[in-house]
Parts: sequence; structure tokens; C-alpha cells
Amino acid sequence: DGGITQSPKYLFRKEGQNVTLSCEQNLNHDAMYWYRQDPGQGLRLIYYSQIVNDFQKGDIAEGYSVSREKKESFPLTVTSAQKNPTAFYLCASRKLGGNTEAFFGQGTRLTVV
Amino acid sequence: GDSVTQMEGPVTLSEEAFLTINCTYTATGYPSLFWYVQYPGEGLQLLLKATKADDKGSNKGFEATYRKETTSFHLEKGSVQVSDSAVYFCALRLTGANNLFFGTGTRLTVIP
Repeated sequence: DGGITQSPKYLFRKEGQNVTLSCEQNLNHDAMYWYRQDPGQGLRLIYYSQIVNDFQKGDIAEGYSVSREKKESFPLTVTSAQKNPTAFYLCASRKLGGNTEAFFGQGTRLTVV
Repeated sequence: GDSVTQMEGPVTLSEEAFLTINCTYTATGYPSLFWYVQYPGEGLQLLLKATKADDKGSNKGFEATYRKETTSFHLEKGSVQVSDSAVYFCALRLTGANNLFFGTGTRLTVIP
């Protein structure tokens, strides 16, 4: 079945360490997105990419990095520079053009210990 | 700037009660409007959408009408079930834009 897969579902990290969250889609979607979800704040855009080897910062990109080497994959690295990394991270993808909706993965809950 | 304002929760209803979750938007252009639902511990799923004024989106008994005159997209359901307990997000995307703007979400709990 086509879909978008995030892994792992739960991730623990020690302070000062970088960690990479995986996002893979087999929907042949052009655009991919990373959002951060915190209680009471809805979803905030971290980074997005419309095409391979290109990506743009969202509203809260500081302390994060991404790459888009393949159309199917858009990993997010949470660096040690991110002051409050504990959150639920959601990856999404969308077919460009028209009024298409975004499809979301199941999310990764990152906890810094 | 573009934004979405949702009714603050949490909302607690008895089974078979009528549900309304208010959503209003501010947009510089003509957005498409969406309702997403998030069940505990999961990602978001599209519930319904409307792409132009007066369109009505519907799915699983939920409905929302795109009202340009009041810049609103309120979510309604005539008779909620326990299985509808989730967080509901209103979102917008401007035509030609790539980003979705989300509201803060409204948590609904339905009790038997």
C-alpha cells in the first residue's frame, strides 16, 4: 500500500546529541514537510522541500537540518543547537498542483533525557 | 498574515450529541480549507476539505461549509460517537502555495 512512513515511533536522546528522524514515502509526491507539534500550539512548520536537492526553512528551522537526496526520503536531524527538542514530529507529503491535501506519517515522539 | 483560529477545547460531549467546532481564517488570497483528525498517538488524517466558497466538505457524518462572507469553516456532526474522540485541526492553504497553516487543534472527548 502507498503511504508515508516515519521511524522510529519513539526516540530518546541525551542532551548534546544530534538525532535523525526518518521519513519515507512511496506516493510519488513531490513535496515533503516536517512539522513539530507541541501541546496547545498546533503544528508548526520546520522545513519543506518541493524537489530533490532543494528545501526551504519554515517558521521554526533553527536547530534543525534536512536533506532531500531522493524523492522518497526527507530525513530531519535535530541538532544539539535545538533548545527544546522534546516534541512530537510529523512528516507529510503532497502532490504538487491543484488543491491536493497533505498526507501525514504516524509521527515520531522525541524525548530528550 | 495568513492564519487559522479554532475554538479552544477541550470539548466533552455525551454520545449522540450535536458537535460544532468553530474555525475562522484570515487569508490574503483564496484558500483551500481542510479539517484533519488526530487519534491518540497517531499522525493526522484528512477528514474533509473544501476548495472554494460555498463548497461543503463531508465525510463520516462530519460536514463543513466554506463561508467566504464570514471567513469560516465550522465542523459539525449531528450525532457523535465515542470513536470520534480525537483532536481536530482546521487548516488552510493558499492557492499556489505549498504550506499548510494549522489551527491549534480542539480536543473532543465523547462519553458513553
